[in-house]
Amino acid sequence: EAQVTQNPRYLITVTGKKLTVTCSQNMNHEYMSWYRQDPGLGLRQIYYSMNVEVTDKGDVPEGYKVSRKEKRNFPLILESPSPNQTSLYFCASSFADRVNTQYFGPGTRLTVL
Amino acid sequence: GESVGLHLPTLSVQEGDNSIINCAYSNSASDYFIWYKQESGKGPQFIIDIRSNMDKRQGQRVTVLLNKTVKHLSLQIAATQPGDSAVYFCAERPGGYNKLIFGAGTRLAVHP
Repeated sequence: EAQVTQNPRYLITVTGKKLTVTCSQNMNHEYMSWYRQDPGLGLRQIYYSMNVEVTDKGDVPEGYKVSRKEKRNFPLILESPSPNQTSLYFCASSFADRVNTQYFGPGTRLTVL
Repeated sequence: GESVGLHLPTLSVQEGDNSIINCAYSNSASDYFIWYKQESGKGPQFIIDIRSNMDKRQGQRVTVLLNKTVKHLSLQIAATQPGDSAVYFCAERPGGYNKLIFGAGTRLAVHP
């Protein structure tokens, strides 16, 4: 089944404790992206990647890191999480020439205490 | 499940009626305008897009209208069904950029 998977789905952590949210897709998509979703703000893009070893900042990259060492994986790293990073996070992927049509994962609910 | 949008504007319609969801955009230089649907507990799902040089595009039971003069985008859903209940997001893709900028969303509630 074609899908985008994220792990973990739920995470409660404390301020300053490094964490990684994994994202994997099995559709051979070149483009991958991370969004955060907060009430009343829609989805805001954190980082995106056009292909392996190519990443770019989105609209809200501060406090986040990403890497794209393999085509299928695009982990989101929070080196020192803070409470304002409590949010619902989505990973998405698409073919590079079809960025309008992104396939989203199920979401990761992160709470930073 | 995972969901957000506790304070979203809500459109309530009767099953079988047509729905019109509106969106105002800000960037005149956007190449594409896109609609996504997010059901409760799920990630957003692509519905339809329209290029900036078009003013209307039809899909299966959906029509997107683009009015560049007033920077307005709408999604029309014909014969709305209970399965259409979701949060709908408009998004724009700035010209020359491989990124989407999403609006805040509108909740569509379909009543039997």
